[in-house]
Amino acid sequence: ETGVTQTPRHLVMGMTNKKSLKCEQHLGHNAMYWYKQSAKKPLELMFVYNFKEQTENNSVPSRFSPECPNSSHLFLHLHTLQPEDSALYLCASSLHTGTEGEQYFGPGTRLTVT
Amino acid sequence: EDQVTQSPEALRLQEGESSSLNCSYTVSGLRGLFWYRQDPGKGPEFLFTLYSAGEEKEKERLKATLTKKESFLHITAPKPEDSATYLCAVQAPGYSTLTFGKGTMLLVSP
Repeated sequence: ETGVTQTPRHLVMGMTNKKSLKCEQHLGHNAMYWYKQSAKKPLELMFVYNFKEQTENNSVPSRFSPECPNSSHLFLHLHTLQPEDSALYLCASSLHTGTEGEQYFGPGTRLTVT
Repeated sequence: EDQVTQSPEALRLQEGESSSLNCSYTVSGLRGLFWYRQDPGKGPEFLFTLYSAGEEKEKERLKATLTKKESFLHITAPKPEDSATYLCAVQAPGYSTLTFGKGTMLLVSP
């Protein structure tokens, strides 16, 4: 595997379900990011981790819970989501947060909340 | 509040028809401006970083330029494979995060 991978690629969940999104980067980077991409809206930064420490939480509702066990892996745990949470969730990495302009993105997880 | 506005929202070109995409920004003291390309069903792909007014970067048929208030992405003699959404993002001093625009969807017809 190369670059940034995300699983699953598609996810349909009910509002009472609990699921997790996984991101893995094979680039030797130390910073990882979660973004939400909705139609007709700019990319919204959700969380930033630098050397496994969370450095940004962009006022994200608590039904989204990130986890970064090491610099290569990032998870987004989901529970009791709302239909408006349906979107493309993108993971990205950069060498560290000093080089955050040059980010490498995964293909995303298309989430549908029913 | 930092703002990034991209225009047009969508652009349709014939193959070989050169044009430009615009990214205007309001940020106090730009730390960097970044261009990304996003294909359908994929994550954005980094293209360029610009740091100061007057700077230019080129890659194949793409050239990015920067002034104090806006950036242009010039596409020379585009091909159908250049069809994608082009995203612009800015970074303000002292902040570790990027502010993205909504993007310009480019369609190049053969």
